[in-house]
Amino acid sequence: SFELSQPPSMSVSPGRTATIVCSGNKLRNKYVSWYQQKPGQPPVLVIYEDDRRPSDVPERFSASNSGNTSTLTISETQAMDEADYYCQAWDASSVVFGGGTKLTVL
Amino acid sequence: QVQLQESGPGLVKPSETLSLNCTVSGGSLNKYYWSWVRQTPGKGLQYIGYVSLKGTTNYNPSLQSRVTISLDRSKTQFSLKLISVTAADTAVYYCARVGVRYGTPYYMDVWGKGTTVTVSS
Repeated sequence: SFELSQPPSMSVSPGRTATIVCSGNKLRNKYVSWYQQKPGQPPVLVIYEDDRRPSDVPERFSASNSGNTSTLTISETQAMDEADYYCQAWDASSVVFGGGTKLTVL
Repeated sequence: QVQLQESGPGLVKPSETLSLNCTVSGGSLNKYYWSWVRQTPGKGLQYIGYVSLKGTTNYNPSLQSRVTISLDRSKTQFSLKLISVTAADTAVYYCARVGVRYGTPYYMDVWGKGTTVTVSS
């Protein structure tokens, strides 16, 4: 079955760029979405259809999808960006989520 | 602005049926699919399934034998039923709106706040 892999955690210093990767077989052939989830809150869509950003999401969030990897990039990372991030794709017959990456800003 | 609100019992006994509703307000059911996602304590997101306006459903293969998702257009509400629950089904259950392109679900852009369901005797 199709799987999406993410590193469990990463850290970044305030003001620097955070790069979170999501890997899956031939991921380039699928549309990838990214979600941000803060403790006790539902997920929030930050990227959809590989690289599109909802209107209320800051421009510092961007993403790309190539080969077997989708990459979420957060520029000029702020303390408020500390959260869990999940990638997601549709695989033929089911929706698949990655395991999530806990981003720590310190 | 579309809002989703989950409702249902917070406690279900083992072997019984978990039933939840999601009420859609501030928008139409048209042009979207409607889904359920759950999150076990301290873990990641797990897709449960979705229902379309036409009643077409899709379920996570790992849950398919126990899940039913249905939609009540008159109430702008959709529902989740999960039978034969065990402690492993204890989770926060979210309902979410699914963006669709050419009949394929691509993203979940509106989420409910989630409801915690505990399976325990």
